[in-house]
Amino acid sequence: EPEVTQTPSHQVTQMGQEVILRCVPISNHLYFYWYRQILGQKVEFLVSFYNNEISEKSEIFDDQFSVERPDGSNFTLKIRSTKLEDSAMYFCASSEPQREITGELFFGEGSRLTVL
Amino acid sequence: GESVGLHLPTLSVQEGDNSIINCAYSNSASDYFIWYKQESGKGPQFIIDIRSNMDKRQGQRVTVLLNKTVKHLSLQIAATQPGDSAVYFCAEKGFDSNYQLIWGAGTKLIIKP
Repeated sequence: EPEVTQTPSHQVTQMGQEVILRCVPISNHLYFYWYRQILGQKVEFLVSFYNNEISEKSEIFDDQFSVERPDGSNFTLKIRSTKLEDSAMYFCASSEPQREITGELFFGEGSRLTVL
Repeated sequence: GESVGLHLPTLSVQEGDNSIINCAYSNSASDYFIWYKQESGKGPQFIIDIRSNMDKRQGQRVTVLLNKTVKHLSLQIAATQPGDSAVYFCAEKGFDSNYQLIWGAGTKLIIKP
């Protein structure tokens, strides 16, 4: 069964460093997302991406964050200068057009980011 | 160090019994309501959705009920199995947001043998 894959599974970084989290969405999906989940808390929307551009972003997704689809398969989240409060599990998700409207997303297993 | 996080509501159910997980949503204009299951160490997994013009929808061993009058959503799991142990999140998707899901706090379901 096709799945969303994320790397790395865990990254530890120093405050102020840049981090890139990588995702390979399901191949025939057109909508891509990043969500994050601080330990034990709610899942929070960061950004959605469609047709090679950001379609929606939350207040969390400030100038320190960026997303890119550098080729036909990868979807990346970059945090330019990490802060302690960026420590969280970051989930990539994708959806196909027929399922996107209903909120049916396919999530990866997440990348845990620890900022020291 | 001690981790600080939101204390999740917990539901303990005997294996084989039915489980009912509840959720209160916030936005009357939401068009779809969705249930996700998150097993320990994994990403959320879609279970079922219901559109706002419906009040009940059934899936395989699951039923979702929507009460718009009191903005309440529930997920019923029949004959609960050990594999149902997870945190269950409700989420909503509205007209005023094309893409983002707004997530509830989650309920931890524990299955007693």
